[in-house]
This record gives sequence, structure tokens and C-alpha cells, in this order.
Amino acid sequence: KQEVTQIPAALSVPEGENLVLNCSFTDSAIYNLQWFRQDPGKGLTSLLLIQSSQREQTSGRLNASLDKSSGRSTLYIAASQPGDSATYLCAVSEGGSEKLVFGKGTKLTVNP
Amino acid sequence: GAVVSQHPSRVICKSGTSVKIECRSLDFQATTMFWYRQFPKKSLMLMATSNEGSKATYEQGVEKDKFLINHASLTLSTLTVTSAHPEDSSFYICSARRRGAPNYGYTFGSGTRLTVV
Repeated sequence: KQEVTQIPAALSVPEGENLVLNCSFTDSAIYNLQWFRQDPGKGLTSLLLIQSSQREQTSGRLNASLDKSSGRSTLYIAASQPGDSATYLCAVSEGGSEKLVFGKGTKLTVNP
Repeated sequence: GAVVSQHPSRVICKSGTSVKIECRSLDFQATTMFWYRQFPKKSLMLMATSNEGSKATYEQGVEKDKFLINHASLTLSTLTVTSAHPEDSSFYICSARRRGAPNYGYTFGSGTRLTVV
């Protein structure tokens, strides 16, 4: 059974700092991995999607990497801003299934 | 882009009544939509997979008679919480993926906060 773990559960940083969020999964037979952002009481906003054949994806200040063989992904946020404060969720799509398996998320707080 | 609209965003109902939540893909067709439930400080829990024109597939432990799912068209799925009780209070989110595009990611609705009093 696929399990997704995100570390740390919460992170508080000063504005301007670069930071890394971690995601690990137990079964490397994934189809793709997706990072989402969730603001309190809101739905999920897709940030980056990495196909299983890819190593990384970039969007603005965000960079996500994928090491499928070791079951790990990282989300790098450069020059963090208070507006980045949210919960970041990692999810994997399993091969042969359309289901997404989510981690519990990392709650990020960027202090002005 | 792919947009999923979920309605209502917030609903309060009395215990014993039923509540319907709608999930629409606005600019794409989705043969499959997904319904999740989110508990505080927990992962999103997949409740069921909604298939257009056929019965939904429920995850283990989810009561299909309690959570009725209808996927009547390629752009609309509904979740009805029947005979709601306070323990059904939660945040419900739907998602969809563009039909015939397995390399696309999933798009999520904005969620529905259900409170049963």
C-alpha cells in the first residue's frame, strides 16, 4: 500500500529565506507526482506536476525534484514571501490507477 | 487552463437532512471525478471515484448509501450526504482530470465546508 510522508509537518521561516519541503513515498511505481498548495478553508491549487520520467519541474520561484528510485521529492521555494504561507501537499498518482495518494502536508509560515 | 467549480462552498444543515454538493469541470470533459474528505491535520481521504454513466467506486469503509454519487455528464458529478449527522461535518473536495489526458495533473475544486447541527 502506497504511503506518502511529508517532513516537516510545520515550518516557520523569515521572509526572504530559501527553503526545502520534503516528500517521500514507499512504492516507486508511480505515474507522476504533484505538489499542491492549500490555503485555510480552501481547495487545492496545483503548483507543479512531475511525470515519472522527469527529474524536475520549475515554475517561477518553485522547483520540484523527483528521485523515483529512492522514493523522494523535494519542493524548493526561493526567496520566500509572506504570501507563500500555506499548507503544501504532495501526492503521487500510482501506475495503473487514477488515484492520488496524499501526504499530510507541511504547514509553512513565512514571517515578515 | 482546467477549472473545477464546486458548490456550495459552505453549508450548514440540520441533523437528519440531506445535502447535495456539485462539482463541475468548466472548460474540459472529465470521465472520472474524485471525491475526497479532509480531516484536520490529516491527509485527504479518497472517498470514491465517480465514473460518468456508471456506478461510483467507493473506497473501503465509505458507506455508499450514505454518500450518494451521481456522474450524469462529462462535466458534472454530485455528492449527496444523506441523513447527515454531526460526525459527517467535514471539508469535502472534488477533483477531476482532463479526459484522455493521463499526463495532465488533477484539478481540484475549492471545497465545501459541511457543518451538521
